This record gives sequence, C-alpha cells and structure tokens, in this order.
Amino acid sequence: GDSVTQMEGPVTLSEEAFLTINCTYTATGYPSLFWYVQYPGEGLQLLLKATKADDKGSNKGFEATYRKETTSFHLEKGSVQVSDSAVYFCALRGTNFGNEKLTFGTGTRLTIIP
Amino acid sequence: EPEVTQTPSHQVTQMGQEVILRCVPISNHLYFYWYRQILGQKVEFLVSFYNNEISEKSEIFDDQFSVERPDGSNFTLKIRSTKLEDSAMYFCASSAGFGYEQYFGPGTRLTVT
Repeated sequence: GDSVTQMEGPVTLSEEAFLTINCTYTATGYPSLFWYVQYPGEGLQLLLKATKADDKGSNKGFEATYRKETTSFHLEKGSVQVSDSAVYFCALRGTNFGNEKLTFGTGTRLTIIP
Repeated sequence: EPEVTQTPSHQVTQMGQEVILRCVPISNHLYFYWYRQILGQKVEFLVSFYNNEISEKSEIFDDQFSVERPDGSNFTLKIRSTKLEDSAMYFCASSAGFGYEQYFGPGTRLTVT
C-alpha cells in the first residue's frame, strides 16, 4: 500500500538557517503530494502541494518539488524564522477515484532558536 | 474564510463508555473524513464519507466506530465502547470534491481513563 517516509526529528536550527526536511514515498501511479504544518495546540494546515511530476509547490517561503524519479518531495526553506517552529507532515493522496484518503508520514518537529 | 469546526475540544471519558465527536464541515463540501493522531505518532486515516455512505475505511475503523451525517451540517464519529488505546486527537476534514484540498478542523482530544 501507499506509504510516506519522513526524516526523523526533532530538528533544531538557528534563525535564518537553511531548512531541508526529507520525504520519500511509495505509491502506485501518480499520487498528489502535500506538506501539512501543525502549530502548537492547533490542527493541520495545508502548507503546499504538488499534483504531478516536476511541479513545485510553494508557500510562505517554503518550497517542495515533486520528483518522480526519486519518489521524493523534500521541504526546503532558505531562511527559517522562530515562527516556523511546528510539526511538519508529508502526505500523499492516491489517484484512484474514491480513494481520497491522505497517508501521512510520522511528522518532523522543527524548533527554531533565536 | 470558511472553516471546519469540531466539538468538544477535549473529551474525557471512562473506558467502556460511548462517545460522540462532532464536526461541522465547510458548508458546500461533499467529502468528509475522520483521522486520528495518537500522541507522538503519525496522523492516521479512519474513514471517508461521501453521498451519505462510507466510501473507504481503514483497519482501525472496526465495529466499535460509526459515522453519521444526521442533518445537513453535522458529521459525527461515534465510538461505542471506548478503550484506553482510543485516546488520541481526532481530526475531522472536508473537501469540495474528488481531488480537492482537505480542510482540517482543530481536533478533539479524547482521553479515555
């Protein structure tokens, strides 16, 4: 079945550092890929998405590129801020009609220190 | 901006009791979902609901679980006889249709004692 493997955390970085959180997936066909963010005490918010190979999703300075050849969707940000501290989840959605469920990775807790 | 709401935010119950978690999806959405997140673990899919019936469910969603859309606005998850291992954050989500973004509610933290 579908699965998502995500870089284990926690990750601690200094403000303005470069961030990469690795995500690889296993799925049949061409799934859609997502990054969700969970701030402390809150629910999941969609951060960015990509629906086909070579698409780049971007939002709030974060980027991720759908790489079919390496089955990856790594999250990057050039200069992190304290407000980026949160848990980040990589997820995929299958391509079969009626199969709308999201399959999540384990989440990566990111802490940014001033 | 429309949002998914969930009540209560925190529910404490004793083992063996029935609980009903409530969700109000975004009003024009057609697909509804429940996910759960046991503390420190990944978010897991429970069930999806479309056109007044379950469209998919996971292995977790056994006979102790049921979902219902009792009226035009609410979407509920019922656990008939709670177990300690049901303690988790339960998230409701909705989407406008196939292939559309899923919007998540803030979650209900269920604590079974």
